[in-house]
Amino acid sequence: DTGVSQNPRHKITKRGQNVTFRCDPISEHNRLYWYRQTLGQGPEFLTYFQNEAQLEKSRLLSDRFSAERPKGSFSTLEIQRTEQGDSAMYLCASSPRASGGQGYNEQFFGPGTRLTVL
Amino acid sequence: AQTVTQSQPEMSVQEAETVTLSCTYDTSESDYYLFWYKQPPSRQMILVIRQEAYKQQNATENRFSVNFQKAAKSFSLKISDSQLGDAAMYFCAYIRQGAQKLVFGQGTRLTINP
Repeated sequence: DTGVSQNPRHKITKRGQNVTFRCDPISEHNRLYWYRQTLGQGPEFLTYFQNEAQLEKSRLLSDRFSAERPKGSFSTLEIQRTEQGDSAMYLCASSPRASGGQGYNEQFFGPGTRLTVL
Repeated sequence: AQTVTQSQPEMSVQEAETVTLSCTYDTSESDYYLFWYKQPPSRQMILVIRQEAYKQQNATENRFSVNFQKAAKSFSLKISDSQLGDAAMYFCAYIRQGAQKLVFGQGTRLTINP
């Protein structure tokens, strides 16, 4: 399966602990996205990378959140000093390099990492 | 800011029948794309259908079709001949031309009754 993969699929942690999630995009996709989905809601955009550059961050991404994509391949999302409000599904997506004349490149989503903060 | 609203938290339909899911959106942009995504339980979200705002013709993908009303900012999804495998959360989404951020609605949970 060459789709977007995310690890771990589930994470339970205690309030105040740090957690890190990993996303492996589809090979050769140069764009990578993180979204957060709380129970009963649609996904909300967190941040976006083109290659290794983080080009856009949502105001939802507080100082406790940091995302990296060091070599333009996989990405990590770290949450420091977790709070109960951080409990959510964290979704990663990737999309290919823009081709000439195409206005939009589909974002392919991974299965998500479900975080529970106790 | 752009917003997407799905006013039906839950819908149900008998197998083999037709169901329509509603979506409205708000934007001041003229160039954008609209999507319906399907999220089965514990599985990843997949794209069902997309519509370019500049196209007047409604998009169709097999049993899935949309009714795109640009002036009314309405974008509904019709599923014909519903199958048990269609049961899922369905999200309407918007993206502005040239942007990278998808804006999603709250979702509609679709149940298929055998």
